[in-house]
Amino acid sequence: AQTIHQWPVAEIKAVGSPLSLGCTIKGKSSPNLYWYWQATGGTLQQLFYSITVGQVESVVQLNLSASRPKDDQFILSTEKLLLSHSGFYLCAWSRDGGNERLFFGHGTKLSVL
Amino acid sequence: QQKVQQSPESLIVPEGGMASLNCTSSDRNVDYFWWYRQHSGKSPKMLMSIFSNGEKEEGRFTVHLNKASLHTSLHIRDSQPSDSALYLCAAEEGSNAKLTFGKGTKLSVKS
Repeated sequence: AQTIHQWPVAEIKAVGSPLSLGCTIKGKSSPNLYWYWQATGGTLQQLFYSITVGQVESVVQLNLSASRPKDDQFILSTEKLLLSHSGFYLCAWSRDGGNERLFFGHGTKLSVL
Repeated sequence: QQKVQQSPESLIVPEGGMASLNCTSSDRNVDYFWWYRQHSGKSPKMLMSIFSNGEKEEGRFTVHLNKASLHTSLHIRDSQPSDSALYLCAAEEGSNAKLTFGKGTKLSVKS
């Protein structure tokens, strides 16, 4: 069975500080990987997706970057956090690019103060 | 403008009642619709999907799709307090991996 693990579970960070969030998928080779962001009370917004190692597509610009250093790992980061980065970050995977359900990780709650 | 519109924003139904949620896409390239359920503080989980015109039923949940109007609806019969959650509709173009979510309908089932 496939499992998805996100870390950390929660973060409280200062404006201007760096951030790194991680996600690992086990039990599935070459998954499609996604980062989503959900502001409090807001909708889910796709940030990045990756269909293979080393390749990441940006969907929206939020002064964030993503990388896929390994087949089973997806990293979201920024050098300088903004207040507007606060929210719920979700990593997800799917078997293929189209017509496939998303499986979400438990998410990381980020508070930027 | 939001490409996926959901209504109502919030809904209160009595336990045992019927909840009806609506979703419309303004993107004519959409091929698939998904319904996800998100309990408070948790991650979304896929509830139902529909790709063809018509109706699909799974237990207490029924989803309808009208592809001509790009409108889908989710109906929950015999609603339970555990159904209280945010229901997210998502529309997907078949040609790429981009899923667009609506703002969701917050359902509260009161016992």
